[in-house]
Amino acid sequence: GAVVSQHPSRVICKSGTSVKIECRSLDFQATTMFWYRQFPKKSLMLMATSNEGSKATYEQGVEKDKFLINHASLTLSTLTVTSAHPEDSSFYICSATGSAKNIQYFGAGTRLSVL
Amino acid sequence: RKEVEQDPGPFNVPEGATVAFNCTYSNSASQSFFWYRQDCRKEPKLLMSVYSSGNEDGRFTAQLNRASQYISLLIRDSKLSDSATYLCVVTEDYKLSFGAGTTVTVRA
Repeated sequence: GAVVSQHPSRVICKSGTSVKIECRSLDFQATTMFWYRQFPKKSLMLMATSNEGSKATYEQGVEKDKFLINHASLTLSTLTVTSAHPEDSSFYICSATGSAKNIQYFGAGTRLSVL
Repeated sequence: RKEVEQDPGPFNVPEGATVAFNCTYSNSASQSFFWYRQDCRKEPKLLMSVYSSGNEDGRFTAQLNRASQYISLLIRDSKLSDSATYLCVVTEDYKLSFGAGTTVTVRA
Protein backbone atom coordinates (compact mmCIF):
# COMPACT_ATOMS: atom_id res chain seq x y z
CA GLY A 1 0.00 0.00 0.00
CA ALA A 2 0.94 3.64 -0.33
CA VAL A 3 3.41 4.97 2.19
CA VAL A 4 2.89 8.58 1.18
CA SER A 5 -0.56 10.04 0.71
CA GLN A 6 -1.04 13.15 -1.40
CA HIS A 7 -4.28 15.05 -1.62
CA PRO A 8 -6.07 16.20 -3.69
CA SER A 9 -5.26 14.18 -6.78
CA ARG A 10 -6.86 16.67 -9.13
CA VAL A 11 -7.63 20.36 -8.88
CA ILE A 12 -9.27 22.65 -11.39
CA CYS A 13 -9.43 26.25 -10.31
CA LYS A 14 -9.86 29.75 -11.60
CA SER A 15 -6.92 32.05 -12.14
CA GLY A 16 -6.08 34.00 -9.00
CA THR A 17 -7.17 31.42 -6.47
CA SER A 18 -4.84 29.65 -4.07
CA VAL A 19 -4.54 25.90 -3.94
CA LYS A 20 -3.25 23.82 -1.05
CA ILE A 21 -1.80 20.36 -1.57
CA GLU A 22 -1.16 18.01 1.34
CA CYS A 23 1.47 15.35 1.59
CA ARG A 24 1.34 12.85 4.45
CA SER A 25 3.71 10.07 5.34
CA LEU A 26 1.89 6.97 6.53
CA ASP A 27 3.42 4.69 9.14
CA PHE A 28 6.73 6.53 9.27
CA GLN A 29 8.13 9.85 10.33
CA ALA A 30 9.33 11.87 7.39
CA THR A 31 12.22 14.04 8.46
CA THR A 32 12.46 15.45 4.97
CA MET A 33 9.86 15.97 2.31
CA PHE A 34 10.41 17.10 -1.26
CA TRP A 35 8.14 18.89 -3.69
CA TYR A 36 8.52 18.36 -7.42
CA ARG A 37 6.79 19.69 -10.49
CA GLN A 38 6.52 17.87 -13.78
CA PHE A 39 5.39 19.35 -17.08
CA PRO A 40 4.22 17.02 -19.87
CA LYS A 41 7.01 14.88 -21.31
CA LYS A 42 9.54 16.59 -19.05
CA SER A 43 11.51 15.38 -16.08
CA LEU A 44 10.50 15.93 -12.49
CA MET A 45 12.02 19.16 -11.29
CA LEU A 46 12.72 19.64 -7.62
CA MET A 47 11.03 22.76 -6.34
CA ALA A 48 11.96 22.68 -2.70
CA THR A 49 13.18 20.57 0.19
CA SER A 50 11.20 20.72 3.38
CA ASN A 51 12.54 19.75 6.79
CA GLU A 52 10.19 19.45 9.73
CA GLY A 53 10.14 22.54 11.88
CA SER A 54 12.37 24.66 9.66
CA LYS A 55 12.01 26.79 6.56
CA ALA A 56 11.98 25.07 3.22
CA THR A 57 14.97 25.30 0.93
CA TYR A 58 13.89 26.40 -2.52
CA GLU A 59 15.64 25.58 -5.77
CA GLN A 60 16.88 28.35 -7.97
CA GLY A 61 14.10 29.96 -9.94
CA VAL A 62 11.29 28.83 -7.63
CA GLU A 63 9.50 31.72 -5.95
CA LYS A 64 9.09 31.05 -2.26
CA ASP A 65 6.26 33.57 -1.96
CA LYS A 66 4.43 31.89 -4.79
CA PHE A 67 4.86 28.35 -3.54
CA LEU A 68 4.41 28.33 0.22
CA ILE A 69 5.62 25.23 1.99
CA ASN A 70 4.80 24.28 5.54
CA HIS A 71 6.20 21.22 7.27
CA ALA A 72 4.64 21.51 10.69
CA SER A 73 4.88 17.88 11.72
CA LEU A 74 6.90 14.79 10.94
CA THR A 75 4.05 13.36 8.91
CA LEU A 76 2.64 16.36 7.06
CA SER A 77 3.92 18.89 4.57
CA THR A 78 1.75 21.26 2.57
CA LEU A 79 2.38 23.19 -0.61
CA THR A 80 0.20 26.20 -1.32
CA VAL A 81 0.22 27.63 -4.81
CA THR A 82 -0.78 31.22 -4.20
CA SER A 83 -2.72 33.23 -6.77
CA ALA A 84 -2.45 30.44 -9.30
CA HIS A 85 -2.20 31.29 -12.98
CA PRO A 86 -2.52 29.08 -16.08
CA GLU A 87 1.26 28.72 -16.31
CA ASP A 88 1.19 27.04 -12.88
CA SER A 89 -0.82 24.19 -14.35
CA SER A 90 1.32 21.12 -13.86
CA PHE A 91 1.69 17.81 -12.08
CA TYR A 92 2.92 18.38 -8.53
CA ILE A 93 4.42 15.44 -6.67
CA CYS A 94 5.69 15.17 -3.14
CA SER A 95 8.05 12.63 -1.72
CA ALA A 96 9.27 11.76 1.75
CA THR A 97 12.29 10.12 3.28
CA GLY A 98 12.50 8.44 6.65
CA SER A 99 15.50 6.92 8.32
CA ALA A 100 16.80 5.61 4.99
CA LYS A 101 17.51 8.99 3.47
CA ASN A 102 18.49 7.57 0.14
CA ILE A 103 15.02 6.23 -0.60
CA GLN A 104 12.24 8.62 -1.45
CA TYR A 105 8.64 7.49 -1.36
CA PHE A 106 6.40 9.41 -3.72
CA GLY A 107 2.86 10.56 -3.33
CA ALA A 108 0.42 9.90 -6.15
CA GLY A 109 0.69 13.46 -7.39
CA THR A 110 -1.70 16.34 -7.85
CA ARG A 111 -2.73 17.47 -11.29
CA LEU A 112 -3.42 21.18 -11.18
CA SER A 113 -5.28 22.92 -13.97
CA VAL A 114 -5.69 26.67 -13.70
CA LEU A 115 -8.29 28.14 -16.03
CA ARG B 1 23.71 20.81 -20.23
CA LYS B 2 21.10 18.74 -18.43
CA GLU B 3 22.23 16.87 -15.35
CA VAL B 4 20.66 13.64 -16.51
CA GLU B 5 20.01 12.86 -20.17
CA GLN B 6 18.02 10.03 -21.62
CA ASP B 7 16.94 8.97 -25.09
CA PRO B 8 13.22 9.77 -24.96
CA GLY B 9 12.35 6.92 -27.32
CA PRO B 10 9.79 5.61 -27.82
CA PHE B 11 11.07 2.09 -28.03
CA ASN B 12 8.34 -0.03 -29.58
CA VAL B 13 9.05 -3.71 -29.12
CA PRO B 14 7.08 -6.95 -29.47
CA GLU B 15 6.32 -9.10 -26.47
CA GLY B 16 9.22 -11.30 -25.58
CA ALA B 17 11.83 -8.99 -27.05
CA THR B 18 14.79 -7.52 -25.23
CA VAL B 19 15.07 -3.76 -24.99
CA ALA B 20 17.93 -1.73 -23.59
CA PHE B 21 18.61 1.94 -23.16
CA ASN B 22 21.06 4.23 -21.45
CA CYS B 23 21.23 7.37 -19.45
CA THR B 24 24.16 9.75 -18.99
CA TYR B 25 24.78 12.07 -16.09
CA SER B 26 27.00 15.10 -15.84
CA ASN B 27 27.79 15.32 -12.13
CA SER B 28 30.79 13.17 -11.33
CA ALA B 29 30.00 13.60 -7.62
CA SER B 30 26.74 11.69 -8.00
CA GLN B 31 26.54 9.07 -5.32
CA SER B 32 23.58 6.82 -5.94
CA PHE B 33 21.75 5.72 -9.02
CA PHE B 34 18.29 4.38 -9.63
CA TRP B 35 15.80 3.46 -12.28
CA TYR B 36 12.22 4.50 -11.61
CA ARG B 37 9.18 3.58 -13.61
CA GLN B 38 6.42 6.08 -14.29
CA ASP B 39 3.09 5.15 -15.80
CA CYS B 40 1.04 7.79 -17.59
CA ARG B 41 -0.21 10.45 -15.17
CA LYS B 42 1.08 8.54 -12.16
CA GLU B 43 3.85 9.03 -9.65
CA PRO B 44 7.31 7.49 -10.20
CA LYS B 45 7.90 4.14 -8.57
CA LEU B 46 11.29 2.74 -7.71
CA LEU B 47 12.24 -0.06 -10.07
CA MET B 48 15.73 -0.80 -8.88
CA SER B 49 18.93 0.65 -7.57
CA VAL B 50 22.01 0.54 -9.78
CA TYR B 51 25.39 -0.62 -8.55
CA SER B 52 28.83 -0.47 -10.11
CA SER B 53 29.03 -4.23 -10.17
CA GLY B 54 25.78 -4.41 -12.09
CA ASN B 55 22.65 -5.93 -10.68
CA GLU B 56 19.74 -7.96 -11.81
CA ASP B 57 16.16 -8.15 -10.63
CA GLY B 58 14.23 -10.77 -12.51
CA ARG B 59 14.03 -9.68 -16.12
CA PHE B 60 15.67 -6.33 -15.42
CA THR B 61 19.41 -5.76 -15.47
CA ALA B 62 21.01 -2.45 -14.57
CA GLN B 63 24.60 -1.40 -14.98
CA LEU B 64 26.60 1.62 -13.95
CA ASN B 65 29.75 2.89 -15.60
CA ARG B 66 31.21 5.59 -13.39
CA ALA B 67 34.17 6.29 -15.65
CA SER B 68 31.91 7.11 -18.59
CA GLN B 69 29.09 8.38 -16.38
CA TYR B 70 26.32 6.33 -17.83
CA ILE B 71 23.73 3.92 -16.55
CA SER B 72 21.90 1.29 -18.53
CA LEU B 73 18.73 -0.73 -18.14
CA LEU B 74 17.98 -3.92 -20.01
CA ILE B 75 14.61 -5.61 -20.01
CA ARG B 76 14.47 -9.23 -21.14
CA ASP B 77 11.40 -11.13 -22.29
CA SER B 78 9.31 -7.94 -22.41
CA LYS B 79 5.74 -8.08 -21.14
CA LEU B 80 2.85 -5.83 -22.08
CA SER B 81 2.91 -4.58 -18.51
CA ASP B 82 6.45 -3.26 -19.00
CA SER B 83 5.03 -0.43 -21.14
CA ALA B 84 5.91 2.71 -19.23
CA THR B 85 8.35 5.57 -19.04
CA TYR B 86 11.61 4.68 -17.33
CA LEU B 87 13.28 7.46 -15.40
CA CYS B 88 16.97 7.53 -14.70
CA VAL B 89 17.72 9.09 -11.33
CA VAL B 90 21.01 10.12 -9.78
CA THR B 91 21.55 11.54 -6.35
CA GLU B 92 24.00 13.76 -4.57
CA ASP B 93 23.52 14.39 -0.86
CA TYR B 94 20.06 12.80 -1.05
CA LYS B 95 18.91 15.23 -3.70
CA LEU B 96 17.44 13.42 -6.68
CA SER B 97 17.95 14.53 -10.25
CA PHE B 98 15.65 12.97 -12.81
CA GLY B 99 16.04 12.33 -16.47
CA ALA B 100 13.08 13.12 -18.69
CA GLY B 101 12.45 9.43 -19.20
CA THR B 102 12.60 6.79 -21.89
CA THR B 103 9.26 5.55 -23.12
CA VAL B 104 8.90 1.85 -23.82
CA THR B 105 5.85 0.39 -25.52
CA VAL B 106 5.50 -3.37 -25.67
CA ARG B 107 3.04 -4.61 -28.28
CA ALA B 108 1.25 -7.94 -28.46
